[in-house]
Amino acid sequence: EAQVTQNPRYLITVTGKKLTVTCSQNMNHEYMSWYRQDPGLGLRQIYYSMNVEVTDKGDVPEGYKVSRKEKRNFPLILESPSPNQTSLYFCASRRRGSDEQYFGPGTRLTVT
Amino acid sequence: AQRVTQPEKLLSVFKGAPVELKCNYSYSGSPELFWYVQYSRQRLQLLLRHISRESIKGFTADLNKGETSFHLKKPFAQEEDSAMYYCALIPTNAGKSTFGDGTTLTVKP
Repeated sequence: EAQVTQNPRYLITVTGKKLTVTCSQNMNHEYMSWYRQDPGLGLRQIYYSMNVEVTDKGDVPEGYKVSRKEKRNFPLILESPSPNQTSLYFCASRRRGSDEQYFGPGTRLTVT
Repeated sequence: AQRVTQPEKLLSVFKGAPVELKCNYSYSGSPELFWYVQYSRQRLQLLLRHISRESIKGFTADLNKGETSFHLKKPFAQEEDSAMYYCALIPTNAGKSTFGDGTTLTVKP
């Protein structure tokens, strides 16, 4: 089944404790993105990648890092999480030249 | 810079009433616009793309370049239409995507 998976789905952590949220897709898509969804602020793009080893900042990249060493994986790294990064995070992928994004199920992160 | 504006955060209508979710955009090139929907506790999924001009689940959206709008319409709302709707500007050959703030539609019985 074609899908985008994220792990973990739920995470509660403390300020400053490094964490990684994984994202994987099995559709051989070139493009992958990370978004955060916050009430009243909609969906905002954090980082995106147009292919292996090619990443770029979205609208809200501060406090986040990403890497794209393999086509299928696009982990989101929070080196020193802070409470303002408490949010619902979505990973998405799409094929180059296609307009349809496939979204993961979301990861709900709480930083205390 | 590209921007998408959805002026209504909340919209409530009665079943059978017409519904229109507004979307305005700002983009220097030829816009590639979409509507995504997120039902309760589900992931976002594509509802409509401007280029196809099709009707999905009774919804249609017309791109109006003069008014820089891409409003989503349905003549007779159903309870199962209750969801969060996002208008999005996603250039096909670029990685950057811009979503609006979303409109939560509630269709009351």
